[in-house]
Amino acid sequence: EAQVTQNPRYLITVTGKKLTVTCSQNMNHEYMSWYRQDPGLGLRQIYYSMNVEVTDKGDVPEGYKVSRKEKRNFPLILESPSPNQTSLYFCASSFREGRDEQFFGPGTRLTVL
Amino acid sequence: GDSVTQMEGPVTLSEEAFLTINCTYTATGYPSLFWYVQYPGEGLQLLLKATKADDKGSNKGFEATYRKETTSFHLEKGSVQVSDSAVYFCALGGGSQGNLIFGKGTKLSVKP
Repeated sequence: EAQVTQNPRYLITVTGKKLTVTCSQNMNHEYMSWYRQDPGLGLRQIYYSMNVEVTDKGDVPEGYKVSRKEKRNFPLILESPSPNQTSLYFCASSFREGRDEQFFGPGTRLTVL
Repeated sequence: GDSVTQMEGPVTLSEEAFLTINCTYTATGYPSLFWYVQYPGEGLQLLLKATKADDKGSNKGFEATYRKETTSFHLEKGSVQVSDSAVYFCALGGGSQGNLIFGKGTKLSVKP
């Protein structure tokens, strides 16, 4: 089954404790992206990747890192999480940027205390 | 830069009512337009899309027409069901900024 998986689905952590949210897709997509969803703000792009070893900042990259060492995986790293990073996070993938349908993971709800 | 504006919710309708969710955009170039739906507790999934002016996207009884003259892509359904309760996002892709740009979402609740 074609899908995007994320782990964990729920995470409660404390300020400053490094964490990684994993994202994996099995559709051989070149383009992958991370979004955060906040009430009243919709979805905002954090980082995206056009292909292996090619990543770039989205609209709200501060406090986040990503890597793309393999085509299927695109982890999101929070090196020193802060309470303002409490949010619902989605990973997505598509064949190309922009014009193609993006496939979304189920989401990771992160709470930073 | 490119942007998407959609009507604010929440929208509450009775079953079998007619639905319209307005979406307008600003963009340079010739973007594709999308409607995504997010059911409770799930990720977003594509509902329909249109890639050029006057195209009509349709799926599950929902329709939207890409109107370049009014820069709009309004979502419509003739008879909503309780199972249509979800958050609906209008999005623009392939414009000057390349990436997918979302509206803020409209929450729809359908009462039996």
